[in-house]
Amino acid sequence: GIQVEQSPPDLILQEGANSTLRCNFSDSVNNLQWFHQNPWGQLINLFYIPSGTKQNGRLSATTVATERYSLLYISSSQTTDSGVYFCAVGSGGYNKLIFGAGTRLAVHP
Amino acid sequence: GAVVSQHPSRVICKSGTSVKIECRSLDFQATTMFWYRQFPKQSLMLMATSNEGSKATYEQGVEKDKFLINHASLTLSTLTVTSAHPEDSSFYICSASPGPEQFFGPGTRLTVL
Repeated sequence: GIQVEQSPPDLILQEGANSTLRCNFSDSVNNLQWFHQNPWGQLINLFYIPSGTKQNGRLSATTVATERYSLLYISSSQTTDSGVYFCAVGSGGYNKLIFGAGTRLAVHP
Repeated sequence: GAVVSQHPSRVICKSGTSVKIECRSLDFQATTMFWYRQFPKQSLMLMATSNEGSKATYEQGVEKDKFLINHASLTLSTLTVTSAHPEDSSFYICSASPGPEQFFGPGTRLTVL
């Protein structure tokens, strides 16, 4: 099956710093989503981005489908950005998602 | 975005009992829903695809007789953990979608004593 790798596994930042999270996938996909899992376990949808570039406030994402990777950019990080960021991909029908291992982000004041 | 709910949010049960978890799509209809399991400090693992009006499709290694799935309507799927044991303790999350983007419920934390 399709493999999803995220890097780095852990990231520690000072408030105000910028960061880039990476997601590599092993095969063609027709769905790619980025999520933030908050401390209570809820998955927050950040981006639906099977290709192209999107921005939402301090966050932006780019997926280069032909090269099988996606990047999530966080600018001017805040302590509330802390948590785990997951990339998940889907291929074929039914929309089921395969998750990467996640990047655990800690933003310190 | 679309809203998915789960009930209960937390359940503690004794070993050997069965537990039912509900997943509802609140503002859309879903012919397909998905069930995931997440152990502490790990990623989400897909357990099964729930299909309205037909049998669920289970991922390799998931015991279909232990994790019973019923997709009774276009807005409700249930996961029943039968004869639960401590190793079934985990965070169970469902997802559904009105289109290609998946939306997730808040999860159910199951603790089996």
